[in-house]
Amino acid sequence: GAVVSQHPSWVICKSGTSVKIECRSLDFQATTMFWYRQFPKQSLMLMATSNEGSKATYEQGVEKDKFLINHASLTLSTLTVTSAHPEDSSFYICSATTRDSRNTEAFFGQGTRLTVV
Amino acid sequence: QKEVEQDPGPLSVPEGAIVSLNCTYSNSAFQYFMWYRQYSRKGPELLMYTYSSGNKEDGRFTAQVDKSSKYISLFIRDSQPSDSATYLCASHTGGFKTIFGAGTRLFVKA
Repeated sequence: GAVVSQHPSWVICKSGTSVKIECRSLDFQATTMFWYRQFPKQSLMLMATSNEGSKATYEQGVEKDKFLINHASLTLSTLTVTSAHPEDSSFYICSATTRDSRNTEAFFGQGTRLTVV
Repeated sequence: QKEVEQDPGPLSVPEGAIVSLNCTYSNSAFQYFMWYRQYSRKGPELLMYTYSSGNKEDGRFTAQVDKSSKYISLFIRDSQPSDSATYLCASHTGGFKTIFGAGTRLFVKA
């Protein structure tokens, strides 16, 4: 299957600082990428959908000014958590899909564990 | 009401048992149904993928979808300790916006 790589796999940052998480599709062009957040022992909650070259669409309750998403190329999307606070500590996961309409599978990255202290 | 409902468990079974995992969904527009396996602190990996109603088998895993009752099932035969993980059902309408169930934690005891 296609490979989606997330970086970093884990990060610890101080409260008030910003953190950038990268999501790359390594062997395919990802026209759409999704960002999820997963709290301990809970399911994945979709935060936003990003299409290459356009603004991200955020789910209800997700602050777009706090979680900045950029999808500048067909292989890279970034999520920046601005002014992070301890309650932002979570597991962030991206997924990516291709332009091929026959391929309806979304490929997931390995996730980034963010801890805000 | 959540669009995809799943009992979070945990579910504990002895090695070799047949495991049955289930979900229900409410969105009639869902056409694609998936089961993901997630180990602790890892991203989910796709196990099974089904379009519309029907059964799909892959090795020890069988996925079933009944659209008339909005019911999704995953069966694991001859369960192994390595199958211990969280299993997430998921659906989307074809637009890739995937909605996940809560995930069921499975423990297979040796």
